This record gives sequence, C-alpha cells and structure tokens, in this order.
Amino acid sequence: DVKVTQSSRYLVKRTGEKVFLECVQDMDHENMFWYRQDPGLGLRLIYFSYDVKMKEKGDIPEGYSVSREKKERFSLILESASTNQTSMYLCASRGGWAGDSPLHFGNGTRLTVT
Amino acid sequence: QKEVEQDPGPLSVPEGAIVSLNCTYSNSAFQYFMWYRQYSRKGPELLMYTYSSGNKEDGRFTAQVDKSSKYISLFIRDSQPSDSATYLCAMSQGGSNYKLTFGKGTLLTVNP
Repeated sequence: DVKVTQSSRYLVKRTGEKVFLECVQDMDHENMFWYRQDPGLGLRLIYFSYDVKMKEKGDIPEGYSVSREKKERFSLILESASTNQTSMYLCASRGGWAGDSPLHFGNGTRLTVT
Repeated sequence: QKEVEQDPGPLSVPEGAIVSLNCTYSNSAFQYFMWYRQYSRKGPELLMYTYSSGNKEDGRFTAQVDKSSKYISLFIRDSQPSDSATYLCAMSQGGSNYKLTFGKGTLLTVNP
C-alpha cells in the first residue's frame, strides 16, 4: 500500500526561525508536492518536484524553498517563519502525470508560528 | 470566475440519506476528475477517479461527469456516520500538465 510519511504531526515555531518539514514516500514516485491547506482557501500548491534536484514553483512559493536530494524525500523549508505561514502542510506524491495517476497524501503537519 | 467552485457546506444529513456533492468548473480542457475524502486531522485520500464524461460506480459511491455543463457530482447512497468527512473535488488537463486543481471542499456530517 502507498505510504507518504510526514515527520511531524504538530510543530510550534517562533517568528524568524528556519523551519524544515520532511516528507518521505515509499512508492518510488517521481513526482512530489507540497501543499498548504487553510480554511476557506482550500489546498494551494507551494512547490512541485518531478525528479531528484528538480523543482518547480507552484501557486504560492513566496517565503518557501524546497530540497530533493533523494527520490524518496522532499523537504519544505521556511527560510524565516512568519505568523501568516501558520497552516496545515500536506505532502503528496504521484507516479505519473496528472491525468494518469492520483496524488497520494501524507497526514499533514500542522505548523503554528508564534 | 474561479476555476473550480464547490459549495463548502456544511451539509448535515441523517443516516441512510442519499447525499449529492457537486462541483462546477470553467476550464473546458479538464479531462480527469477526482473526488478525495478527508477525515479530520488526516490527509486527503482518493475516493473516485473518472476520465471524461459519464458515470462511475463503486459500492455506495457514484461519480458523474457532465463536460457539456462543466459539472461533476458525487452521490453517496445509504450514507453512514463513517462517511462524515470533507469531500474535495479535483481535476486536471492530463498529458504533460502536472497541475491538479482542487475545489475548496464540502464538509459532510451524517447523523446516526
């Protein structure tokens, strides 16, 4: 069965801290994604990676960066956390293109920035 | 006009009711349509997946796509309290386009 694991369920960080959110998938998927989910705004794509060391900006990349050094691992980095980055962060992976296979999500990391 | 519109609810129904969840969209290039279910404090999980227009049935769930009207639906028959969740529609153009566009989700509660 497909498994996407996010390292933390809950995180509390202070404004200005550098924050790392980690995601690991065990399906040998090429494509990995980071979304944030906010009430009333739904799911918004932050970054996408289609291969090791390859990345593309999503709809809301400002204030974030990503790292993909190994195929199974995709990290989201908040360079200097701000209160407006308090959110639920969801990692997802997919084996093919959008029309060929669905996204598989992790259970999310709820980040609070104080 | 938003690319995908979904009534956020909340929707509350008694156990055993037939539930209808809907999304409309504006991009006629969408070809692949999905429904995800998200339980509280969990990530979304794929529930139904359809290509182009038509119906698809899986147990108590039926997904319906009407591309001429740019309208998709998810029907739940004999709803159960375990169906209580947020339901998200999602769609894509397919091909080399990686992007999946989500609705904002409808919160459903099925009361025993």
